[in-house]
Amino acid sequence: QVQLVESGGGVVQPGRSLRLSCAASGFTFSSYGMHWVRQAPGKGLEWVAAIFYDGTNKKYADSVKGRFTISRDNSKNTLYLQMNSLRAEDTAVYYCARDLLGHYAMDVWGQGTTVTVSS
Amino acid sequence: EIVLTQSPATLSLSPGERATLSCRASQSVSSYLAWYQQKPGQAPRLLIYDASNRATGVPARFSGSGSGTDFTLTISSLEPEDFAVYYCHQRSNWPQTFGQGTKVEIK
Repeated sequence: QVQLVESGGGVVQPGRSLRLSCAASGFTFSSYGMHWVRQAPGKGLEWVAAIFYDGTNKKYADSVKGRFTISRDNSKNTLYLQMNSLRAEDTAVYYCARDLLGHYAMDVWGQGTTVTVSS
Repeated sequence: EIVLTQSPATLSLSPGERATLSCRASQSVSSYLAWYQQKPGQAPRLLIYDASNRATGVPARFSGSGSGTDFTLTISSLEPEDFAVYYCHQRSNWPQTFGQGTKVEIK
């Protein structure tokens, strides 16, 4: 079945780095745009970054621009989020999500991975 | 950045009642608006895309309407499993944005 599974979360000190992964299965990963969306504890959803199906175009929220990098390896069916210079306000559950083909929505979501930035 | 404002923040209703949730955009998003449902400890679930199209597997009691700046999600008759938080989301412009959410709680 169609599935996204995130990994790589954990506890990290401010200023350090972390890389999240999202393993896709059950669909043709290379045909879909992908996203990272996060949710701070007790808060709403915040879009973080997006990457086009072929990796040629990437978009970022202002809050992470210059610190986070989204990438993908279509040969491994995997999406990544490299997070550098982490701050306390980056503490959140990070979800990867798939584009609904031909439409502007996200139709498949992973279960999320938790990132805690704390000294 | 397009700001999406959802109202009310909380909706207290009983099972069987009708729920009407609003999402207003700070500028036109055409019909590029989606609605998601999120239950505690779970990932969001897509309900509605392109303002009025139900996603695969979504019950017919959920419907979306609107265009431009004003959108509505209607749940015609609340089932126990519908009590959750609902978010609207736009991708008309970058950065894409979410509303702050409406919690539908049991009265």
